[in-house]
Amino acid sequence: GQNIDQPTEMTATEGAIVQINCTYQTSGFNGLFWYQQHAGEAPTFLSYNVLDGLEEKGRFSSFLSRSKGYSYLLLKELQMKDSASYLCAVRDASGGSYIPTFGRGTSLIVHP
Amino acid sequence: DTAVSQTPKYLVTQMGNDKSIKCEQNLGHDTMYWYKQDSKKFLKIMFSYNNKELIINETVPNRFSPKSPDKAHLNLHINSLELGDSAVYFCASRPDNQETQYFGPGTRLLVL
Repeated sequence: GQNIDQPTEMTATEGAIVQINCTYQTSGFNGLFWYQQHAGEAPTFLSYNVLDGLEEKGRFSSFLSRSKGYSYLLLKELQMKDSASYLCAVRDASGGSYIPTFGRGTSLIVHP
Repeated sequence: DTAVSQTPKYLVTQMGNDKSIKCEQNLGHDTMYWYKQDSKKFLKIMFSYNNKELIINETVPNRFSPKSPDKAHLNLHINSLELGDSAVYFCASRPDNQETQYFGPGTRLLVL
């Protein structure tokens, strides 16, 4: 199985930059996902990394280091609507199941 | 609208009852999932299913059974409901050529 660790809660100021870290341990790494989930709503896909490096998509970027078992989600020019839970998920291919395991999520609070 | 839909949105029932949650996607996706999100917001995958194979998470009690009448539907049947089954259940789908999962709005199950 996997151990996925991310901070429980973070706060940041509107307009600032915030980095949400995720560390994991897995035997058959097959990709890392970031999802955003607003309170009472369904998760929405943000990014997918399977190779080392930075993937940029608008204000959001995701970084992966497979050797370190580490990823981060970078949010720039924070807006109030970015207040949400951010879920890190790792897919494991060992056993052929390719099932993603989610971390407990990081609750981000953006204040004026 | 093209989307992943679930019914019902809310389900309140007594312990010991049997209930079903329906999921439909009109996105033409090949793979569908069921997730459980508990009161601590921890999202866990329960099942992954496509036309060829049902992958069961071994931690899911056998009271839970997915049923797929066709490619666009993956329903979740739960026998002998228990208090601990209270959670939000999300259905999701994914096309084979993408990593993005599209989540339904969730079904909020409360077992009394």
